[in-house]
Amino acid sequence: DAGVTQSPTHLIKTRGQQVTLRCSPISGHKSVSWYQQVLGQGPQFIFQYYEKEERGRGNFPDRFSARQFPNYSSELNVNALLLGDSALYLCASSHPGGAGEKLFFGSGTQLSVL
Amino acid sequence: KNEVEQSPQNLTAQEGEFITINCSYSVGISALHWLQQHPGGGIVSLFMLSSGKKKHGRLIATINIQEKHSSLHITASHPRDSAVYICAPLRATNKLIFGTGTLLAVQP
Repeated sequence: DAGVTQSPTHLIKTRGQQVTLRCSPISGHKSVSWYQQVLGQGPQFIFQYYEKEERGRGNFPDRFSARQFPNYSSELNVNALLLGDSALYLCASSHPGGAGEKLFFGSGTQLSVL
Repeated sequence: KNEVEQSPQNLTAQEGEFITINCSYSVGISALHWLQQHPGGGIVSLFMLSSGKKKHGRLIATINIQEKHSSLHITASHPRDSAVYICAPLRATNKLIFGTGTLLAVQP
């Protein structure tokens, strides 16, 4: 079975642009969560979605939004990019989707904002 | 003060040594994850605990919810165990909070 897949793997944007990152969970996993990891720091929680509904949100500005589709894949959108948004964005899925289940992480999308 | 504190921040061990990484947190949680991150970014979930103790191979994780403390133990450490180990408590709001990580280097 395929693991959690994220696309693209690398992305370069300029300040003010918008970006969409994509995540496909492991088949059967209904929960997807998103994390930001700035170089040299630990991950920071952004969002958690379960059954297409937002179930948790971290301390990120409204420029960050996400959604989950009927097939449980997810997109993370970031508007009006800032230099400080440069980071590794990680997606994780879990089964059966409730809180506290073991997480399976994708390899991440490395976003560079110039 | 951070909601999650890990110790030590850096740890160097000789192959075969018994290793303990500690995690203390100050908030109410429903569960706690231990994660392993190798250079280059890949994160692997080692354990999810809500009480007691779990064992997988040479890895053992314990949690004491009342004392707000968890430990990760590695028995018979090996150079391939070298990585960053992250404690990540899960709040009831489904918000996962991350510790600062422990950088482990196991020397042959």
